[in-house]
Amino acid sequence: DGGITQSPKYLFRKEGQNVTLSCEQNLNHDAMYWYRQDPGQGLRLIYYSQIVNDFQKGDIAEGYSVSREKKESFPLTVTSAQKNPTAFYLCASGGFINVLTFGAGSRLTVL
Amino acid sequence: KNEVEQSPQNLTAQEGEFITINCSYSVGISALHWLQQHPGGGIVSLFMLSSGKKKHGRLIATINIQEKHSSLHITASHPRDSAVYICAIETSGSRLTFGEGTQLTVNP
Repeated sequence: DGGITQSPKYLFRKEGQNVTLSCEQNLNHDAMYWYRQDPGQGLRLIYYSQIVNDFQKGDIAEGYSVSREKKESFPLTVTSAQKNPTAFYLCASGGFINVLTFGAGSRLTVL
Repeated sequence: KNEVEQSPQNLTAQEGEFITINCSYSVGISALHWLQQHPGGGIVSLFMLSSGKKKHGRLIATINIQEKHSSLHITASHPRDSAVYICAIETSGSRLTFGEGTQLTVNP
């Protein structure tokens, strides 16, 4: 079945460490997105990519990095520069022509 | 002011009631999405609209492009409809902006 796979589902990080969240889709969608969700708040856009080898910063890109080397993959790295990384991270693909599809999310906790 | 405003923020209903959630936006859009998020965090796309009205089961979504307004209706509500309902607009360049969501609780 087509969909988006995010991994890991839960991740613990020590302060000062970089961590990478995986997002893979087999829907043949061009556009992919990373969002952060904090308790009681709406989704905020971190980065998005409309095409392979191109991506744009969203509203809260500081402390994060991404790559889009393949259409299917859009990994997010949470760097040590991100001051408050504990959050729920959601990856999505699609939009306009294609219905939005979300991954199950990754919950990152900084110890 | 947010580009996307949802109302109400919280909504409690009795099983069987007709429910309406509203979404207003302030910019030109290419599409509007209604999403459902359950307590576990998973998000499901309910509708994608660029004009008119769509229906799926007990759910109906409408959009008025001139008034920059969309509504999500749930007929014959059920406790399993309890979730956060999120409106999102899509602007040029496939950029998505989300409302803060409406927490719906349907009591038996």
